[in-house]
Amino acid sequence: DAGVIQSPRHEVTEMGQEVTLRCKPISGHNSLFWYRQTMMRGLELLIYFNNNVPIDDSGMPEDRFSAKMPNASFSTLKIQPSEPRDSAVYFCASSFSDRSGTQYFGPGTRLLVL
Amino acid sequence: EDKVVQSPLSLVVHEGDTVTLNCSYEVTNFRSLLWYKQEKKAPTFLFMLTSSGIEKKSGRLSSILDKKELFSILNITATQTGDSAIYLCAVVEYGNKLVFGAGTILRVKS
Repeated sequence: DAGVIQSPRHEVTEMGQEVTLRCKPISGHNSLFWYRQTMMRGLELLIYFNNNVPIDDSGMPEDRFSAKMPNASFSTLKIQPSEPRDSAVYFCASSFSDRSGTQYFGPGTRLLVL
Repeated sequence: EDKVVQSPLSLVVHEGDTVTLNCSYEVTNFRSLLWYKQEKKAPTFLFMLTSSGIEKKSGRLSSILDKKELFSILNITATQTGDSAIYLCAVVEYGNKLVFGAGTILRVKS
């Protein structure tokens, strides 16, 4: 079975440019999560969706970040305009809202903003 | 504020040693505790714990949860160089939100 799919795997862009990260969750999972990981701050939850509806976006750093989930099989995380401090690995994870809450992570997108 | 604290932050051992990694937590709506292993890629799932005192085992790895004292441990026996990784502890709250600890960096020397 395919796991969580993310694209692109690597992204290098210049400050001020728009960046769009994409995620396809595991089929049948109804929760989707966006994380950011840096050496300084570790893994941070940015936003998560249940049944395509954003539940908690308190981790989104500022208005430059936005996320959408138009359907159960696709989500995007957009940064506009990007800044060098946004450089990080962005993970998407999905889970099924059963008792365990176990999340399965995608391979991540490594973003570098110059 | 919900938090998950892992210790030690880093650890260097020799092959064959046994290690114990610690995770303590303070969360409002505890649902389960998860352990992940992260090498150079994404975190991969190891264990899910929901009940106190029931040990989960997978090969040389085992884990247990104490819901009264609010902690969990992850044991690795007969360590191998392939066990070198970051071990992440995360607590699942109702609503499926995960709160992660900072991780323990384990390095196993041959």
